[in-house]
Formats: sequence, structure tokens, C-alpha cells
Amino acid sequence: AQSVTQLGSHVSVSEGALVLLRCNYSSSVPPYLFWYVQYPNQGLQLLLKYTTGATLVKGINGFEAEFKKSETSFHLTKPSAHMSDAAEYFCAVSATSYDKVIFGPGTSLSVIP
Amino acid sequence: EPEVTQTPSHQVTQMGQEVILRCVPISNHLYFYWYRQILGQKVEFLVSFYNNEISEKSEIFDDQFSVERPDGSNFTLKIRSTKLEDSAMYFCASSDIAGYNEQFFGPGTRLTVL
Repeated sequence: AQSVTQLGSHVSVSEGALVLLRCNYSSSVPPYLFWYVQYPNQGLQLLLKYTTGATLVKGINGFEAEFKKSETSFHLTKPSAHMSDAAEYFCAVSATSYDKVIFGPGTSLSVIP
Repeated sequence: EPEVTQTPSHQVTQMGQEVILRCVPISNHLYFYWYRQILGQKVEFLVSFYNNEISEKSEIFDDQFSVERPDGSNFTLKIRSTKLEDSAMYFCASSDIAGYNEQFFGPGTRLTVL
């Protein structure tokens, strides 16, 4: 069985500060890992994904995440927060590209001017 | 860029009524999914569909729910007798069988049951 935990249901950062959103997963098979962003009243947008290969993954809008197998983590970072980054962020895991996606509970990111 | 589309964007219905949510997956995709998100909660898997049959379903997907691919392009979710607790955002997704691609999600249908 697969599961995802996200530490911190709400994170606040100052504009220009580092963004760090934590994600830990549990999977019995090599995981596919994803970060999705959801703006208010909108759908899910894929930020980045890890399937195989390089463990540091770069995504859209300056976000990146590092897959650490030993820590079963896939934390999301961005060097400098922008006001437009305020949204809900979901970490997710899947066994394959076509298996069901298991979502974490989400982290709401607020950016303070 | 190809995308998954869903209609309607918002559906309001009375408790006990049947609703059908529609999705048009990306044209060359073979796997189809429905997820739901109750307001303020995480996204939950409902059902996956491949080769014209359900491949997996969650505990949420009880006898009140059904899915269908009535033609070559549409993928529908039917709720036979809606309950208040069915109020949620419903997302359709599709994927191909390539090893490195993800599921593509539609914009969602917000279902409100009164």
C-alpha cells in the first residue's frame, strides 16, 4: 500500500524567502512521485514529477524537489517565494504512470508581503 | 497542448436525483480515472477504467456510482441517487501506457447537492 504525509498543513513565508514544503511517502515498489498545485477554485496543475533517473527534479515556476530514497522523502523547494505562489500544494505517489494516484493531505502556502 | 476537459464546470442538484458528470480524456490515452475532493480535504481516488472495464475502485465507489465510456471520446461518472455528502469537486484524469508520463487531470466539476 502507498501513502503520503505532508508535514505542516499550513506554511507561511515572506516574499523572497525560501519555500520548503515537506513530503514523506510510503511505497512497497519504486514510486512515481508528484507535486501538484491547486489555486483557489481551480483544478490540479502538475508542478513536477519523479519517475526514474536524476533525483533532483526541476519543475515549473522555479520549483524543484529531491527524491531521497533513504529518507523516503520528496520535499519541494523554491529559492525565493513570490506572492503568486500562494496556493494549496499536494504531494502524491503512484506505483506506475497508470496506477491510481494517492494524494497527501495538502499544505496551504501563504506568502507574506 | 492536449488537455482533459470536463462538463459541466458546476452542477447543482437535489438530494436523490441522478447526475452524470462528463469528461473527454486526451485522445490517445487508454486509462481513465475519477477522483473527488470534498471541500477543504485531500483528493481521493474513486475508480480507474481500462479496456472498457473497471480496473480498480475505492471503498467510496459504491453501488450508487457507475462509469461508462459510451463512445470513443467521452468518459462519464454517474451517481444514481445523490446524497448531501456527494457534494465535492470531481476530477477526471487520463494517462497513456508510456513509462514516464503522468496522469493528466481535468479542471473538475463542482457538484453541489442540496
